[in-house]
Amino acid sequence: GPKVLQIPSHQIIDMGQMVTLNCDPVSNHLYFYWYKQILGQQMEFLVNFYNGKVMEKSKLFKDQFSVERPDGSYFTLKIQPTALEDSAVYFCASRRDRADTQYFGPGTRLLVL
Amino acid sequence: GDSVTQTEGQVALSEEDFLTIHCNYSASGYPALFWYVQYPGEGPQFLFRASRDKEKGSSRGFEATYDKGTTSFHLRKASVQESDSAVYYCALGEGQGGRALIFGTGTTVSVSP
Repeated sequence: GPKVLQIPSHQIIDMGQMVTLNCDPVSNHLYFYWYKQILGQQMEFLVNFYNGKVMEKSKLFKDQFSVERPDGSYFTLKIQPTALEDSAVYFCASRRDRADTQYFGPGTRLLVL
Repeated sequence: GDSVTQTEGQVALSEEDFLTIHCNYSASGYPALFWYVQYPGEGPQFLFRASRDKEKGSSRGFEATYDKGTTSFHLRKASVQESDSAVYYCALGEGQGGRALIFGTGTTVSVSP
């Protein structure tokens, strides 16, 4: 099936630093998502993005979080500054249109020390 | 708000056993229902979906039927294999909108040879 790529696969940073997680969505997809999964817990929605704008965000999407996709490049999630509770696996997903299914990347494992 | 409940947290089976994972949802209107499977170190993979009452989704020998009366979408497979060992997530999506998926807590299936 369609492949979503995520870079890096693992990231370890110190609390208070900035981190950028990169997602390379399927080439003709227009809707983009970030989800967060803490170890042993269910996956939870953070934000979705369409046509250059945030369409919806959850209460987990703190002020320290931001997303963008400049000029069709990577869809990024930036956390600045990071906190210990940001340690989790972050999954990117994309879909072609409103009727399509979401396809997920392999995740970025973020550890904040 | 909308939610998904998976009854079984862990299921241990032998090859050729019958698998059932119970999924119930709470939502207004007619949400789309999904099953995803997640293997270690990977993102969730789409199995199948159903969008209306009595519709059956199926893939790779797995199947589930949308039941609006009992608000359920139980996953079944007649004869499991060791390769079916994974975490299975039931999810709810709000129709054809670009909205987020709401995931259940996941069911870890372990199949021994």
